[in-house]
Amino acid sequence: DAGVTQSPTHLIKTRGQHVTLRCSPISGHKSVSWYQQVLGQGPQFIFQYYEKEERGRGNFPDRFSARQFPNYSSELNVNALLLGDSALYLCASSLVSNTEAFFGQGTRLTVV
Amino acid sequence: QQQVKQSPQSLIVQKGGISIINCAYENTAFDYFPWYQQFPGKGPALLIAIRPDVSEKKEGRFTISFNKSAKQFSLHIMDSQPGDSATYFCAARAGGGADGLTFGKGTHLIIQP
Repeated sequence: DAGVTQSPTHLIKTRGQHVTLRCSPISGHKSVSWYQQVLGQGPQFIFQYYEKEERGRGNFPDRFSARQFPNYSSELNVNALLLGDSALYLCASSLVSNTEAFFGQGTRLTVV
Repeated sequence: QQQVKQSPQSLIVQKGGISIINCAYENTAFDYFPWYQQFPGKGPALLIAIRPDVSEKKEGRFTISFNKSAKQFSLHIMDSQPGDSATYFCAARAGGGADGLTFGKGTHLIIQP
């Protein structure tokens, strides 16, 4: 069984650029959440989508946006990248809202 | 504001010993408490989870103990093995889950052979 898949695995961007990260949930899972994990810290919640609608949003600036597609895959967009956006971005999928959430291996974003 | 406090930050245990990691929370709206294991370069993997209507849950060598009145919960790893060396995170979810999981800061566990 395929788990949560994220692409790309690594990415280097320049300050001010835009980035799009992608996530495919486990088959049958309709809920996708995004997290940011800075080195040495626990993941921080960014967004939750369920049935293609935004159901929750963490304390992140409007430069962060996301959407969920009819096949339940999702993408996270970050505009006007800052050095502080360098982190591991994790996608988690679950059958229902954040219960038994399974994480992908993440996208390591480095902003230079 | 850190809503889930995790301790210790790092822990060294001898092979075969018991590893114990503790978490405390304040938000009484939390209704689901998972533990995750993370290896370097990987995403967190769900280990075991508990709801506040039970005081203990055991799966293999992993046990969660939950104290609702004290708003504390802990992970016990019995017969700890070198392969258990990883970072462990406790987390909590408020009812409905729209606010996502709130994670502790993690415990770096080293099992010495």
